[in-house]
Amino acid sequence: AQKITQTQPGMFVQEKEAVTLDCTYDTSDPSYGLFWYKQPSSGEMIFLIYQGSYDQQNATEGRYSLNFQKARKSANLVISASQLGDSAMYFCAMRGSQGAQKLVFGQGTRLTINP
Amino acid sequence: DSGVTQTPKHLITATGQRVTLRCSPRSGDLSVYWYQQSLDQGLQFLIQYYNGEERAKGNILERFSAQQFPDLHSELNLSSLELGDSALYFCASSVFPDRESTDTQYFGPGTRLTVL
Repeated sequence: AQKITQTQPGMFVQEKEAVTLDCTYDTSDPSYGLFWYKQPSSGEMIFLIYQGSYDQQNATEGRYSLNFQKARKSANLVISASQLGDSAMYFCAMRGSQGAQKLVFGQGTRLTINP
Repeated sequence: DSGVTQTPKHLITATGQRVTLRCSPRSGDLSVYWYQQSLDQGLQFLIQYYNGEERAKGNILERFSAQQFPDLHSELNLSSLELGDSALYFCASSVFPDRESTDTQYFGPGTRLTVL
């Protein structure tokens, strides 16, 4: 079974600072994908970034980067130069390579950016 | 805009009723997934369809059913509704290459169901 753990229910960060959102995972699949989604107060789920388990380099997408440490089974999201619009719920998710292609989500971290 | 559309955006109904949620995937995507987001359960996978056929089932109640039509849009039917069915229901779509873990799922805006 796959499991995602996000240990930070909430985080408060000053605008323009960098922030790291923690995510650890557990799986027995030899190949898997890790995803981060953003859910603003309006409710939609916005795809941010993807990391494959065999990718040699950490994924980056604009101000988002993924600090992937396979041995520690962690896939932390780093947001650089935070903006007020980054205030939202952030979900880490995993998809395995075997069985159902569903996403398994963590409980989420609510990020609040203070001006 | 993810390219996935869902209707309606909001739905308010009474216990015991039946509702249908509709989803149109992104152009070119063959796979549709349904998820339920509730305060107590978080985000839970319900069911997946690929090119019209059911591919996987998750924590979907027997009162719920879904289908994917030849034009690839999907409908989620919820019947004998209970208060606990109140939640945000998401549809997601992906290209779904077989056994490919890189396949990204793009989510629609969701349908917020309130059962009174």
